[in-house]
Amino acid sequence: AQSVTQLDSQVPVFEEAPVELRCNYSSSVSVYLFWYVQYPNQGLQLLLKYLSGSTLVKGINGFEAEFNKSQTSFHLRKPSVHISDTAEYFCAVSAASGTYKYIFGTGTRLKVLA
Amino acid sequence: DTAVSQTPKYLVTQMGNDKSIKCEQNLGHDTMYWYKQDSKKFLKIMFSYNNKELIINETVPNRFSPKSPDKAHLNLHINSLELGDSAVYFCASSQDYGLQYFGPGTRLTVL
Repeated sequence: AQSVTQLDSQVPVFEEAPVELRCNYSSSVSVYLFWYVQYPNQGLQLLLKYLSGSTLVKGINGFEAEFNKSQTSFHLRKPSVHISDTAEYFCAVSAASGTYKYIFGTGTRLKVLA
Repeated sequence: DTAVSQTPKYLVTQMGNDKSIKCEQNLGHDTMYWYKQDSKKFLKIMFSYNNKELIINETVPNRFSPKSPDKAHLNLHINSLELGDSAVYFCASSQDYGLQYFGPGTRLTVL
């Protein structure tokens, strides 16, 4: 079975500052990793995914994440945030085979301050 | 064109009623899912169908019954609604590599 931990429930950051949202996972098998963003009262939008290959993954809206197998982490980063990045961010893991069901973290609320 | 659509977007109903939520995907995917997002924003999988066959059935009250008439549709029927069923329900679909595409969600409020 897989599990995901998002260590920060809320992250306040000033506009144009860098941000890192942390995600750690646990699994006995190979995994796929995902970051999704949820804007208020909206659905889930895929930011980026790690399936295999390069451990540095670039996504939409200037976000990137690095898969670190030894530390079982998949932290999300952005070098300069905008007010419009204020949203809930979810890390998800699935086994790289079988039913591919997602296990989600509890989410991190990113609040960008002016 | 909307890839994964859900109807209705909002659903307000009384305790004890029976209601259904519909999901359709036009991506040609074989697998569809239902997730529940509770008031604390926690997302948890409920069910999954692959080519109309149930492949994931998490610990969900048997008042919840999924139905997949074909691989493009996955509906969720809920009997005898309870206050605790109030949540946002998301449908998703996937094909290869488990990458799931989510619908806009259905906000269910049970009074």
